[in-house]
Amino acid sequence: QKEVEQDPGPLSVPEGAIVSLNCTYSNSAFQYFMWYRQYSRKGPELLMYTYSSGNKEDGRFTAQVDKSSKYISLFIRDSQPSDSATYLCAMSGGAGGTSYGKLTFGQGTILTVHP
Amino acid sequence: DTAVSQTPKYLVTQMGNDKSIKCEQNLGHDTMYWYKQDSKKFLKIMFSYNNKELIINETVPNRFSPKSPDKAHLNLHINSLELGDSAVYFCASSQARGGQNTGELFFGEGSRLTVL
Repeated sequence: QKEVEQDPGPLSVPEGAIVSLNCTYSNSAFQYFMWYRQYSRKGPELLMYTYSSGNKEDGRFTAQVDKSSKYISLFIRDSQPSDSATYLCAMSGGAGGTSYGKLTFGQGTILTVHP
Repeated sequence: DTAVSQTPKYLVTQMGNDKSIKCEQNLGHDTMYWYKQDSKKFLKIMFSYNNKELIINETVPNRFSPKSPDKAHLNLHINSLELGDSAVYFCASSQARGGQNTGELFFGEGSRLTVL
């Protein structure tokens, strides 16, 4: 079993739809939870960052973390064609702050928003 | 002005050759990384350097040798290339806060390596 599981999709939605992306994980030491967006032939870019459980909203994007269920989500409201990309969940954390930024990524979900 | 830049963007080479990838960041970060992304888009850490010191060395064959001449540069040299080394290699950087890197990484655009 992988440490982080993410449905690779692909996911295709019409413009304006609400998109829900999810990851589950098994390592209870994870404390930092991130969503990265990767456009084709580009590097991942940080989209959302959350520490521990809770919700975080930034414009059309909302990230949720439920540590008790080991489950994180990213919601995209009013999706746009420019949101078409691969979305990668990532997690880090460890005892004593020794993680040094080591991220464990999900496989990524390919999202296409069509006009 | 690119924050994390890698060269070259593309490498095509024969099995058994040696190749290097260079990375530079102008963000003033103290930690740099090499990540490998395979054909299924799965990203996995290879190495991490903090202030030029090797911090993370995942189970990577010793044909891969990273080198950090200073905080702003991190290079990757690969000896005796194999077919399975074909992948996209990403350089990234981050800044520790309170002695800890939380995972907010800035990635370069990647170096796409094809081994024939």
